[in-house]
Amino acid sequence: SQKIEQNSEALNIQEGKTATLTCNYTNYSPAYLQWYRQDPGRGPVFLLLIRENEKEKRKERLKVTFDTTLKQSLFHITASQPADSATYLCALDGWLDDKIIFGKGTRLHILP
Amino acid sequence: GAVVSQHPSWVICKSGTSVKIECRSLDFQATTMFWYRQFPKQSLMLMATSNEGSKATYEQGVEKDKFLINHASLTLSTLTVTSAHPEDSSFYICSARDSGTDHYNEQFFGPGTRLTVL
Repeated sequence: SQKIEQNSEALNIQEGKTATLTCNYTNYSPAYLQWYRQDPGRGPVFLLLIRENEKEKRKERLKVTFDTTLKQSLFHITASQPADSATYLCALDGWLDDKIIFGKGTRLHILP
Repeated sequence: GAVVSQHPSWVICKSGTSVKIECRSLDFQATTMFWYRQFPKQSLMLMATSNEGSKATYEQGVEKDKFLINHASLTLSTLTVTSAHPEDSSFYICSARDSGTDHYNEQFFGPGTRLTVL
């Protein structure tokens, strides 16, 4: 069955450093891979989408890479700030239907 | 960006009663909306895909007679939890894709509804 693993349940990073989150998947060939931010008690907020034929996508301090051979995406936040503390969700979007599948998320704590 | 609202934001009900949750796309039309459930420290689990003007498509293991979905217009989908029980207590979140944009693959999520069944 399809499986998404975000291999760190929680991650502590010092303010100013780069935070790197990992998303691995198996038994799936997504058309798109998406990253969302979720704050406690709130719905997810879309951050970035990367297509299966793209290697890298950037948006301000965010960078996403997508390696379809390794079946892995890396999500980077540069110059991290305490306000970046949240849970970050990786999601896979397939070719055949409208559904997306979410990973469990990584809770990121940026320490001042 | 596109905005999705949910109402109510939280609800407490007695076991055996029914609860309706509304999901609205405020500034765009959504032919497809999605309903998720999220337990604490768990991932979002897709319950069903709500299609405007037709029946919802439920994921395996989700009881369609218990979780009634109605998508009567391009901006409104409702989820009714019938005969709610304590194990139905969860965080219910809806999302929608903007049908009229090039960014169709982005999903816009509502703020969620916290359901507590006593």
